[in-house]
Amino acid sequence: KQEVTQIPAALSVPEGENLVLNCSFTDSAIYNLQWFRQDPGKGLTSLLLIQSSQREQTSGRLNASLDKSSGRSTLYIAASQPGDSATYLCAAPLGQGGKLIFGQGTELSVKP
Amino acid sequence: DAGITQSPRHKVTETGTPVTLRCHQTENHRYMYWYRQDPGHGLRLIHYSYGVKDTDKGEVSDGYSVSRSKTEDFLLTLESATSSQTSVYFCAIRPGGSDEKLFFGSGTQLSVL
Repeated sequence: KQEVTQIPAALSVPEGENLVLNCSFTDSAIYNLQWFRQDPGKGLTSLLLIQSSQREQTSGRLNASLDKSSGRSTLYIAASQPGDSATYLCAAPLGQGGKLIFGQGTELSVKP
Repeated sequence: DAGITQSPRHKVTETGTPVTLRCHQTENHRYMYWYRQDPGHGLRLIHYSYGVKDTDKGEVSDGYSVSRSKTEDFLLTLESATSSQTSVYFCAIRPGGSDEKLFFGSGTQLSVL
């Protein structure tokens, strides 16, 4: 059974710092992995989707990597800004059909 | 929110009453999902649909039923609400085919007293 874990649960950094968020999964037979952002009281916004054939995916200051062999994915945020403060969740497929199993998220706070 | 509307946004109800939450999309996407989000449990899949009248259970489907009579609407019904169903409910949609990204609605905060 797939399990997705995110550590740490919360992270506080000063503005401008580069940071890495971690995601681990138990079943390496995944075909993609997604990273989402959730602002307080809001729904989730898809940030990056990495296919199993890719090793990295980039969007602006965000870079996500996927290492199936080790069961890990990382989300790298460059030059963090207060506007990056949110909860970041990763999700792996649960079988076929687009069903996802989510980690519990990392709550990021970027201090001015 | 990618053409997804959830209603109501907030609801307070009493134990034992039926409750229906609605998800409406304007994207004509094939796949629709209902998740619940709880502290300590994260997001968990309740039910999903891969087309009109085609639905299936997720990991926490007990006490919930769904219906999809039109492409644009996916209804989640709590037949007899319990306090354990107090949660934030999210609807999500996906185009299908090679596009795997999910788009989420803004959520419904449900309190069962």
